[in-house]
Amino acid sequence: QSALTQPASVSGSPGQSITLSCTGSNTDIGGYKYVSWYQQHPFSAPKLLIYDVSIRPSGVSSRFSGSKSGSTASLTISGLQAEDEADYYCSSYTTTSTLEVFGTGTKVTVL
Amino acid sequence: QITLKESGPTLVRPTQTLTLTCSFSGFSLSTSSMGVGWIRQPPGKALEWLALIYWDDDKRYRPSLRNRLIITKDTSKNRVVLTMTNVDPVDTGTYYCVRSPWGAKQQLVLDWGQGTLVIVSS
Repeated sequence: QSALTQPASVSGSPGQSITLSCTGSNTDIGGYKYVSWYQQHPFSAPKLLIYDVSIRPSGVSSRFSGSKSGSTASLTISGLQAEDEADYYCSSYTTTSTLEVFGTGTKVTVL
Repeated sequence: QITLKESGPTLVRPTQTLTLTCSFSGFSLSTSSMGVGWIRQPPGKALEWLALIYWDDDKRYRPSLRNRLIITKDTSKNRVVLTMTNVDPVDTGTYYCVRSPWGAKQQLVLDWGQGTLVIVSS
């Protein structure tokens, strides 16, 4: 059960837009529309940001948006704010397990 | 209000058995579609699903740990217990209890406990 691949870090200035990638394969992201994203601030539990590739749960800022192309999912944060500095994890349904697989995580730094 | 809280030992010796308890409130595991599970996070590393149990006693396990994990529920006490046998220092990490309602192909985590740190060391 290999983790999905995410860049270790992404940075941006306040107000900018950044995009985080999450790469899998045909057995997970590439074959299904069950990708979710979680945000984790230091010393805190993660929080669900996006599910089913692009759906935001109630209460999540519209600055967060998700998409998918082939076996790569993406999370875009627009109007970057200091509070967005956190770790972000993608997750996907996979045919190789009865449990979802998480990504390796991306640390977002606001310059 | 939904809450989940993990409890268990902070320090465990290698080869011992780790038992973690999740006590939750605000929902019932006897409710159709409800699920409670465990996710861990080694220090500085990524999240990993370990196990999940549903209202109908359907159980899911991380394939690589299937032979070391047992998840059980006590619906009357609103508790879920995870047992991990033969622990190793690589099992060190923060263990989260989570609420994850049943989905046809996915396990969205809607609520998380605060997490409990488990250190495996001699």
